[in-house]
Amino acid sequence: QKEVEQNSGPLSVPEGAIASLNCTYSDRGSQSFFWYRQYSGKSPELIMSIYSNGDKEDGRFTAQLNKASQYVSLLIRDSQPSDSATYLCAVIPSGGYQKVTFGTGTKLQVIP
Amino acid sequence: DTGVSQNPRHKITKRGQNVTFRCDPISEHNRLYWYRQTLGQGPEFLTYFQNEAQLEKSRLLSDRFSAERPKGSFSTLEIQRTEQGDSAMYLCASSSSEDNEQFFGPGTRLTVL
Repeated sequence: QKEVEQNSGPLSVPEGAIASLNCTYSDRGSQSFFWYRQYSGKSPELIMSIYSNGDKEDGRFTAQLNKASQYVSLLIRDSQPSDSATYLCAVIPSGGYQKVTFGTGTKLQVIP
Repeated sequence: DTGVSQNPRHKITKRGQNVTFRCDPISEHNRLYWYRQTLGQGPEFLTYFQNEAQLEKSRLLSDRFSAERPKGSFSTLEIQRTEQGDSAMYLCASSSSEDNEQFFGPGTRLTVL
């Protein structure tokens, strides 16, 4: 079982729609969760961090965390073509010196 | 200080040669990380420094890889006797001890011929 799992996609949504990206993780003791956006050929860019169960909103982005289900998601409202990128879910497992474990990413395509 | 910087941005080398990459973290960050990323994969953890101390090193990292952060500021990653399998994007990230948010540099793309 991979430590952090994501559907590789591509996930295609029309412009203006809500994009929903999902991630599951295996270490039940994990406490820190992140979403990164990565454009082709570029380095990852931090979008959101979330540490507690529930929702966290920042502009058009909402991160959702459910530790009981070991599930974290990212919602992008009013999707724009510029949101087209690969979205990486990242987790700091328990006991890990801040080492971040990444999923393989979900490719999002926003269709104009 | 606008962010994490890495040099060089691109490196092409022949198999068997040694290469060294440099990372300058965000100035107020005391934690520094190195990752490697290949096409279609997420970044893979290599090693982590808190100030000048190397606190963790991936078991996937062979003895050909070494990293230093001598004064707790910039860091270098050296790969000795490069192999074609070392071709990848090498990413550096930094964070403060206040939170766990890591910010990445632009990366160094290594191609081993």
